[in-house]
Amino acid sequence: GESVGLHLPTLSVQEGDNSIINCAYSNSASDYFIWYKQESGKGPQFIIDIRSNMDKRQGQRVTVLLNKTVKHLSLQIAATQPGDSAVYFCAETYPLISGGYNKLIFGAGTRLAVHP
Amino acid sequence: DGGITQSPKYLFRKEGQNVTLSCEQNLNHDAMYWYRQDPGQGLRLIYYSQIVNDFQKGDIAEGYSVSREKKESFPLTVTSAQKNPTAFYLCASSILAGGKQPQHFGDGTRLSIL
Repeated sequence: GESVGLHLPTLSVQEGDNSIINCAYSNSASDYFIWYKQESGKGPQFIIDIRSNMDKRQGQRVTVLLNKTVKHLSLQIAATQPGDSAVYFCAETYPLISGGYNKLIFGAGTRLAVHP
Repeated sequence: DGGITQSPKYLFRKEGQNVTLSCEQNLNHDAMYWYRQDPGQGLRLIYYSQIVNDFQKGDIAEGYSVSREKKESFPLTVTSAQKNPTAFYLCASSILAGGKQPQHFGDGTRLSIL
């Protein structure tokens, strides 16, 4: 298997339970956030995004919550399935005062392990 | 299907050798990126390109080079000056550089040293 995510925190859940994956972001000026899912040996897959003018956004079986007061982002997965097992990481971006390219900053990730 | 294709999936480099990783996209995106991923770490930006014939260094550009001669293609060369090249390399693209939009990724190239 691939070695990405060897020393990441792991969240273990039972199939059918709800999962909550947390992310603390670094910059209070960040105004756009993305959650990605990365399966072993593959590239990150876009799940859902949210802008800072929102505090909640829902997708199919997923919800992202944003708490700007404490710089915290969470991803909730409803009725977790074995296919949800992967590394999940958040990314943030903030506008540059000087203008120019505002890059995405990625967290290290959390491994989600779903048990039957 | 629209997407990003990286090749090869696995690559081995000998000492003193330059190797080139391919990245092609058919999403008609203007911006393309190269990241390096090491175990237990977030993605680190090597180079990015906002438009054809333009590219900029990211956070860890030393030992790497790129070109952007076509909109669809953004190859990355890992030169012999990169002393620790073993990593998972990811290429991404987005409609425009920066801003409030997601980057979409290929499935990566794993580079190892012989």
